[in-house]
Amino acid sequence: SQQGEEDPQALSIQEGENATMNCSYKTSINNLQWYRQNSGRGLVHLILIRSNEREKHSGRLRVTLDTSKKSSSLLITASRAADTASYFCATGTGNQFYFGTGTSLTVIP
Amino acid sequence: KAGVTQTPRYLIKTRGQQVTLSCSPISGHRSVSWYQQTPGQGLQFLFEYFSETQRNKGNFPGRFSGRQFSNSRSEMNVSTLELGDSALYLCASSLAQGSLSYGYTFGSGTRLTVV
Repeated sequence: SQQGEEDPQALSIQEGENATMNCSYKTSINNLQWYRQNSGRGLVHLILIRSNEREKHSGRLRVTLDTSKKSSSLLITASRAADTASYFCATGTGNQFYFGTGTSLTVIP
Repeated sequence: KAGVTQTPRYLIKTRGQQVTLSCSPISGHRSVSWYQQTPGQGLQFLFEYFSETQRNKGNFPGRFSGRQFSNSRSEMNVSTLELGDSALYLCASSLAQGSLSYGYTFGSGTRLTVV
């Protein structure tokens, strides 16, 4: 399967703590993206990292990509209750993407 | 600018019926992709359209079809509905140029329930 796989499946942390999610994939990619989904809603694009990049930051988000290990991590710093959502990585080439099964993050106020 | 608009938001259909879902992408986005999301299977890629042509297709039966119009609006159709087709159907538009992608913008989805 070309799908990415997120780890852990579920994560529960206290507000203010950092949250780290990992994504592993199997095939060569042009880029990897992270998305957030609040319950029953559409996905929101968080960050895109290209295959020739190793790290990218956006606000409280930090994404790393290791193409040799076919893995990526998403770090959310100083988490807030509003960060409670499911997080998905998407891998692919061109404009066809495959999503992992997601990490369900719960931030406890 | 307006986001991706999907209609209807909710739909209840009976087994054997057919359904058409609509998606209006962000203005200027020519690529539209469709995904099916279920608790058991996660997000499954259905198909992608670009300039009225289907460029990619996922592993779904022929009952699932789609099309894209000259204004980039897209529709997907599911015929002979089965209970297992109950899902959240998500449309995503993208400003894609060749092999470069800039990420998807998703609509809020259409929740289809087949009874």
